[in-house]
Amino acid sequence: AQKITQTQPGMFVQEKEAVTLDCTYDTSDQSYGLFWYKQPSSGEMIFLIYQGSYDEQNATEGRYSLNFQKARKSANLVISASQLGDSAMYFCAMSLLTGANSKLTFGKGITLSVRP
Amino acid sequence: DTGVSQNPRHKITKRGQNVTFRCDPISEHNRLYWYRQTLGQGPEFLTYFQNEAQLEKSRLLSDRFSAERPKGSFSTLEIQRTEQGDSAMYLCASSWNSGGRDTQYFGPGTRLTVL
Repeated sequence: AQKITQTQPGMFVQEKEAVTLDCTYDTSDQSYGLFWYKQPSSGEMIFLIYQGSYDEQNATEGRYSLNFQKARKSANLVISASQLGDSAMYFCAMSLLTGANSKLTFGKGITLSVRP
Repeated sequence: DTGVSQNPRHKITKRGQNVTFRCDPISEHNRLYWYRQTLGQGPEFLTYFQNEAQLEKSRLLSDRFSAERPKGSFSTLEIQRTEQGDSAMYLCASSWNSGGRDTQYFGPGTRLTVL
C-alpha cells in the first residue's frame, strides 16, 4: 500500500518570497508518480506538477518546482515568488505506474497563507 | 475544452433519502475516478471507470453506493438511504491513460450535507 505524509502545520510566507512544502511517501513499488495539487477555498483540486520515479531531473512548472529525493522518499514542493493567490490547501499525492488502477493516494494537506 | 464539470455543486438532504450526482469528464478522457473528501482530510479513492467499465471499487464504497458510466461518457454516483456519515465533498476526476503516467483533472466537487 502507498502512504503520503504531510506533517507541517499551517505555513505562512511573505508575498514574493519562496516557500517549501514537505511531502514524504512510502511504497514498495519502483515505478510510481508523485503529484502536487492546490485546493483553494472553492474546493476544486488544481493539478500543479508531476514527478515520475524514473525521472532524473527535478520537475519544474513555472513558479513550481519539485525537490525529489528518491533515497529519502521525499517530494517537496517549492513555490517561488509567492503571490496572494497562492493561499490555499496543498496536497501531495502518488499513484503507481504499473497495474491498471492509477488511483491517487493523498496526504492530509498543508494550509499555506501568503501575507501581503 | 471546458474541463470536468459536476452537478449539483451543493446538495442538502435528509437522512434516509437517495441522492444522485453527475460528473461530465473532459471529452477525450477514457478514465473517470470518484473520490470522497471529508473535512481536514485528503481525498480518498472510491471507484474508477475505464471507458464504460467499472474496474475497481474501494471498500469505502458500501452497497448503498452505486456508480455508472453509460457509453463511457458522463458518470453518476448514487447514494441510497443516506446517513450523516455520508456528508462530504464528492470529487470526480478524469484522465487519458494509455499506460504509465495518469494525470487526473478534477471537477469542482459536489458538497453533500445529510441532516
